[in-house]
Amino acid sequence: EVQLVESGGGLVKPGGSLRLSCAASGFSFSSYTMNWVRQAPGKGLEWVSSISSSYSYIYYADSVKGRFTISRDNGKNSLYLQMSSLRAEDTAVYYCARATRWYCDYWGQGTLVTVSS
Amino acid sequence: DIQMTQSPSSLSASVGDRVTITCRASQTISSYLNWYQQKPGKAPKLLIYAASSLQSGVPSRFSGSGSGTDFTLTISSLQPEDFATYYCQQSYSTTWTFGQGTKVEIK
Repeated sequence: EVQLVESGGGLVKPGGSLRLSCAASGFSFSSYTMNWVRQAPGKGLEWVSSISSSYSYIYYADSVKGRFTISRDNGKNSLYLQMSSLRAEDTAVYYCARATRWYCDYWGQGTLVTVSS
Repeated sequence: DIQMTQSPSSLSASVGDRVTITCRASQTISSYLNWYQQKPGKAPKLLIYAASSLQSGVPSRFSGSGSGTDFTLTISSLQPEDFATYYCQQSYSTTWTFGQGTKVEIK
């Protein structure tokens, strides 16, 4: 069974940093592209970032480019999102999702990040 | 970025109704269009990929159509468990974008 479990969310002050993690199991993690998608409270889904299976391709939404860094450790079956210079508008539930080149087929349950003073 | 616009933003329907949700892209995206269902407090679930392919395990009352810029998600006979928010998503570009969502509510 495919499982994705996010962790690392919490309350952080504006301008602060936070690192999210996603532990994957039940599939060959090193064979899949992975994505982060977020959802602000009461709002829609926003794609954040994508990293290919062999780290060859990394993409970011314009809203986080230069502030967020996606990475992965295929040996640990883990995906990460290093977030810095956080803003109030980054407040959201952050989902980790397994992806093909074209769509996300499995999602974690999400971790809440709150940016507030 | 490619903008995705869904309509309507919300709708009220009864069990057994046929429901149609549309999604329009700001430029052609071929068939790189997916549909997700999300229930409150839950992660999104993939329903349709590549515009018209049904994800494994998804009931056949869900169907998708379209190509280019205009796409449709149809629920042929709405069931109680289908009340949720639906999102389209394009993967034509390397930076993906979602529609704003369509909330399907009970009439």
